[in-house]
Amino acid sequence: DVKVTQSSRYLVKRTGEKVFLECVQDMDHENMFWYRQDPGLGLRLIYFSYDVKMKEKGDIPEGYSVSREKKERFSLILESASTNQTSMYLCASSFPPPDGNTIYFGEGSWLTVV
Amino acid sequence: AQSVTQPDIHITVSEGASLELRCNYSYGATPYLFWYVQSPGQGLQLLLKYFSGDTLVQGIKGFEAEFKRSQSSFNLRKPSVHWSDAAEYFCAVVMMDSSYKLIFGSGTRLLVRP
Repeated sequence: DVKVTQSSRYLVKRTGEKVFLECVQDMDHENMFWYRQDPGLGLRLIYFSYDVKMKEKGDIPEGYSVSREKKERFSLILESASTNQTSMYLCASSFPPPDGNTIYFGEGSWLTVV
Repeated sequence: AQSVTQPDIHITVSEGASLELRCNYSYGATPYLFWYVQSPGQGLQLLLKYFSGDTLVQGIKGFEAEFKRSQSSFNLRKPSVHWSDAAEYFCAVVMMDSSYKLIFGSGTRLLVRP
């Protein structure tokens, strides 16, 4: 019954590496979101996409990029990972507009950059 | 800039006492409003939502929230807190423009004294 799948639950990467975090949803949702969650800071929006090939910056896009070539897949890319990007990354998807009952979250990806 | 503010990082209440968690948003129009709860190591669970209509909304687990347009607030309340309510609570809003950006507050951690 998994609807939003994040490809990796736990990753350890070295500083300077290129990192791909993949998110796939099987509900034909137009909207997809990438957040990072840090203690005391809540969920901060990195990027979101409202259609294939369409993206908008969230509140903290610096150091990240995204790709949405297919409707079901939304990738978060760290071009050159840094230690301050160590965090839990959470993907979400929904129909527009996001109705609380139809916003689905992935299980999260814990990234450690050493 | 659009934002969601939860001014209380931590709140401690005694079991059986009443609870109010504050949420304010900054946006030109009325957004969709949500409250989520996250227990340690768990995902986000929707407590309640407001789209329009009656400004007092009821949610699960005995929670309610009141939308006050004049104060741009959507505070969460519970008349009698149970020890199992200890968790982190997030207010979230959807900006009702063409892209439906979904942003979260920084969260309030609730501690419950026996």
